[in-house]
Amino acid sequence: KAGVTQTPRYLIKTRGQQVTLSCSPISGHRSVSWYQQTPGQGLQFLFEYFSETQRNKGNFPGRFSGRQFSNSRSEMNVSTLELGDSALYLCASSLRGLAGGSTDTQYFGPGTRLTVL
Amino acid sequence: EDQVTQSPEALRLQEGESSSLNCSYTVSGLRGLFWYRQDPGKGPEFLFTLYSAGEEKEKERLKATLTKKESFLHITAPKPEDSATYLCAVRVGGRETSGSRLTFGEGTQLTVNP
Repeated sequence: KAGVTQTPRYLIKTRGQQVTLSCSPISGHRSVSWYQQTPGQGLQFLFEYFSETQRNKGNFPGRFSGRQFSNSRSEMNVSTLELGDSALYLCASSLRGLAGGSTDTQYFGPGTRLTVL
Repeated sequence: EDQVTQSPEALRLQEGESSSLNCSYTVSGLRGLFWYRQDPGKGPEFLFTLYSAGEEKEKERLKATLTKKESFLHITAPKPEDSATYLCAVRVGGRETSGSRLTFGEGTQLTVNP
């Protein structure tokens, strides 16, 4: 079974631009979560989508947004890029996500390395 | 506020030298503690999930244990290929129709020298 895939793997943008990252979950998984990883802050939760609905959101500004499609693929968008947005953006998928009594495991993709100049 | 602290930040071992990594947590309503391994430039790779104090899980040279306040990842007779960053994460409770989240520690960077 194919794992979580993320595109592109590397991206270079300049301040003020916007960027869209894509994530395809493991087949059959309906939940997609996004995380930002930086050397100073570690892995931080951005948001989770389940069945095209945002179910949870971390403490990030509104410049960070996402969506999920009917085939469970997800995209995240960052507008008005800042230097501090340079990070590894990770996507994780699970069968049912993290709600309620779910004991699902999240499986991570390889990430998209975003560099903002 | 939920907190996860991993120690040490970095650990250097000789091949065959067993040791333990620590993950201490302060959360309300723990719904699971996860261990991941991350190699440079790659996404975290799932290792274990622990749900209740006293639980233990093993996989090859790794053994994870859980108490009410912390988890240990024991590495027995490590090999150079065990070199990686080991991440601990806790999942705190969410309502049935809303998600919860994983809160990660900063990780322990393990280097095993031949």
